[in-house]
Amino acid sequence: AQSVTQLGSHVSVSEGALVLLRCNYSSSVPPYLFWYVQYPNQGLQLLLKYTTGATLVKGINGFEAEFKKSETSFHLTKPSAHMSDAAEYFCAVSEAPGYSTLTFGKGTMLLVSP
Amino acid sequence: GAVVSQHPSWVICKSGTSVKIECRSLDFQATTMFWYRQFPKQSLMLMATSNEGSKATYEQGVEKDKFLINHASLTLSTLTVTSAHPEDSSFYICSATRQGQLVYGYTFGSGTRLTVV
Repeated sequence: AQSVTQLGSHVSVSEGALVLLRCNYSSSVPPYLFWYVQYPNQGLQLLLKYTTGATLVKGINGFEAEFKKSETSFHLTKPSAHMSDAAEYFCAVSEAPGYSTLTFGKGTMLLVSP
Repeated sequence: GAVVSQHPSWVICKSGTSVKIECRSLDFQATTMFWYRQFPKQSLMLMATSNEGSKATYEQGVEKDKFLINHASLTLSTLTVTSAHPEDSSFYICSATRQGQLVYGYTFGSGTRLTVV
């Protein structure tokens, strides 16, 4: 069975500061890993995903994440936070290969202060 | 890129009536669609998985007769909330993918805010 743990339901940063959102996963097979962002009353937008290959994945809006198998982690980072980054972020895992359902973490609300 | 359109964005209905929510893949064939429910300030809860032309597979605890899912074509899936009650009020989100092509990921609709009064 697969699962995702996101540490911290809320993370607060100042504008321009480093953003670090933590995600650890559990999977019995090589995982596919995703980060999604959700703005209020909207669906989920894919930030980035890891399937195979390079473990450092770059996504949209300056975000990136690194797949670390030894640590079963897929933390999301951004060097400099912007006010528009304030949103809910979800880490998700799906078991590869083939098709499988997504399992989501509980989400982390990113708060950005001026 | 892959786009999923979900309608309506919000709906208010009276208790006891039924509401239909549509989820369309606009530029790809979605062999599999998923329906999620999201309570305020919580994560997404998978309700059911539907494959085109087959009956939906419901998650444990989800009432099949209340949440009717139809996936009649490769571009359209519908969720009908039957005999809606206030406790069914929630944010419903669909997503779609192409089976066996997980590298393309999952594309989500914009969600439907259902309020039952």
